[in-house]
Amino acid sequence: NAGVMQNPRHLVRRRGQEARLRCSPMKGHSHVYWYRQLPEEGLKFMVYLQKENIIDESGMPKERFSAEFPKEGPSILRIQQVVRGDSAAYFCASSRDRGGDSPLHFGNGTRLTVT
Amino acid sequence: KQEVTQIPAALSVPEGENLVLNCSFTDSAIYNLQWFRQDPGKGLTSLLLIQSSQREQTSGRLNASLDKSSGRSTLYIAASQPGDSATYLCAVNAGNMLTFGGGTRLMVKP
Repeated sequence: NAGVMQNPRHLVRRRGQEARLRCSPMKGHSHVYWYRQLPEEGLKFMVYLQKENIIDESGMPKERFSAEFPKEGPSILRIQQVVRGDSAAYFCASSRDRGGDSPLHFGNGTRLTVT
Repeated sequence: KQEVTQIPAALSVPEGENLVLNCSFTDSAIYNLQWFRQDPGKGLTSLLLIQSSQREQTSGRLNASLDKSSGRSTLYIAASQPGDSATYLCAVNAGNMLTFGGGTRLMVKP
């Protein structure tokens, strides 16, 4: 049973380009969460999705960032017109059930560097 | 707004010592609390999950306790080993999201 799979592991983008980060949840998990870890800072919640629905995006910047979790395929975190401040590790997590009913399992993250 | 604090921020101990990592949170209305381990440049590995109705959980040399009313949790590591060196993160779950503490960086010296 494969864990949460994120790709790419490392992504380098120049300022102004788009970054697409992918996350495949664990088998049987329909709840996906994205977190961001800025250098020397803790992990911060960005968005929570269930298949085809955004449940909570309270932690996501209002501009340039979007997330989706389609019926088929991985969840995608998209950052348009990247800036240096977007450089961070982006972690995806999945769970079988909603909220506090089951543990979250994390992927190894995508490390985004904006040059 | 939930805030999670971990003390100490860093800890260095000789191999074989028993140690305690502390986590405190401000809002006791939580579903559960989860302890993770993060190795440099890697993702998070779930260590223990304690539901709000539970007092403690054990896995091997690890024991986590939860006192929801006082907003505290501890992670006890017995007979520490160099392989335990990592950052340990505490996270509380209030529904849609986990709120993380800043972590404790643990170094176990051979």
